[in-house]
Amino acid sequence: GAGVSQSPSNKVTEKGKDVELRCDPISGHTALYWYRQSLGQGLEFLIYFQGNSAPDKSGLPSDRFSAERTGGSVSTLTIQRTQQEDSAVYLCASRPWTSGRDTQYFGPGTRLTVL
Amino acid sequence: AQSVAQPEDQVNVAEGNPLTVKCTYSVSGNPYLFWYVQYPNRGLQFLLKYITGDNLVKGSYGFEAEFNKSQTSFHLKKPSALVSDSALYFCAVRASSNTGKLIFGQGTTLQVKP
Repeated sequence: GAGVSQSPSNKVTEKGKDVELRCDPISGHTALYWYRQSLGQGLEFLIYFQGNSAPDKSGLPSDRFSAERTGGSVSTLTIQRTQQEDSAVYLCASRPWTSGRDTQYFGPGTRLTVL
Repeated sequence: AQSVAQPEDQVNVAEGNPLTVKCTYSVSGNPYLFWYVQYPNRGLQFLLKYITGDNLVKGSYGFEAEFNKSQTSFHLKKPSALVSDSALYFCAVRASSNTGKLIFGQGTTLQVKP
């Protein structure tokens, strides 16, 4: 079966521009996460969606970051007015919501470079 | 605070030798522990997890991990390393919250030399 997919795989942008990153979770997975992997910070949680519940945005580093999940499936992470410190790999993960024991499955990531 | 520590930035081992990648954790309550592997320019691949039960957990590609509650450790092991095991390995613990988000260690690069 298809895994988590993300697009684009690479994105190069200029400082100050807005970017959108897309995640398609595994079909039937109701929980979706965004993480960021950067050299200085390692792997850090950004945001979490579960069904129709309000998302947990506690990991978003600034108000320039936002995310939405339409129809309980596809998610888009938007970064406004990008800064060089936003350069990182953005990873999306999904898991079924049967219990907290379930495994998160990750997509291949989007490598964002802000010039 | 919940945290995961991987004390070694890099582990070097010869092909055919046993390997260990270390991980210690700090979490309130019962830990749910995970190991993931990342190959260059790829996402994270799930290797194995400990939820409850036997302390020795077996996973993909011949890897196993031993949960030690008294030492709060969850070291990853493999009896005989392959060159193709060379990658970046992450230990993670599920946060004690409703989200189930993962808290990751800093990662350990495993280098297996022929």
